[in-house]
Amino acid sequence: DIVLTQSPALAVSLGQRATISCKTNQNVDYYGNSYMHWYQQKPGQQPKLLIYLASNLASGIPARFSGRGSGTDFTLTIDPVEADDTATYYCQQSRNLPNTFGAGTKLELK
Amino acid sequence: EVQLVETGGGLVQPGRSLKLSCVASGFTFSSYWMYWIRQAPGKGLEWVSSINTDGGSTYYPDSVKGRFTISRDNAENTVYLQMNSLRSEDTATYYCAKDYYYDGTYYFDYWGQGVMVTVSS
Repeated sequence: DIVLTQSPALAVSLGQRATISCKTNQNVDYYGNSYMHWYQQKPGQQPKLLIYLASNLASGIPARFSGRGSGTDFTLTIDPVEADDTATYYCQQSRNLPNTFGAGTKLELK
Repeated sequence: EVQLVETGGGLVQPGRSLKLSCVASGFTFSSYWMYWIRQAPGKGLEWVSSINTDGGSTYYPDSVKGRFTISRDNAENTVYLQMNSLRSEDTATYYCAKDYYYDGTYYFDYWGQGVMVTVSS
């Protein structure tokens, strides 16, 4: 199985930049695409798609969110951070079955 | 508007069975693969099962293979998860999700609100 590693938590100040990382133990690229996706989950809610194929913004997601990376190293950036962004962020790979998720990074405000 | 509404959760004893349902609306159900993904209390997300558009192909991780069965009724816009031989480690919120296939892969673009399953004596 492909293992995705995320830092457990990150604290940033309002208006600053948050960078959340996701590292995989296998390459998740295939034919020029990175099969990595990002989701946001607020307490008591279902996950919500933010970014697909590493860098594509999902419909309705503000441009403050961006993703980049390839191979085994990926980042989700939120700039600037707003109060509503406090949530847990998960990366997920679709390169191989089983689909696997990172353990999540909880974003908190300083 | 896409909606996925799960039902059927509850408290069940270890070794017993439970069947979850997810009714979909707002999209052409029969054109999309469907998934169940779970989240144990305070934990991360775990993919549980997948089913293709006509129900002819299903996939499971080793943790539930042989115990869980996913199925679908395209006439009723519903996907099911039959869970047998339940264990305490199956305690989780179960989410139904649809995929979007793009550029050789897929991702989960819509999720239901989730249904809680508690396995305990």
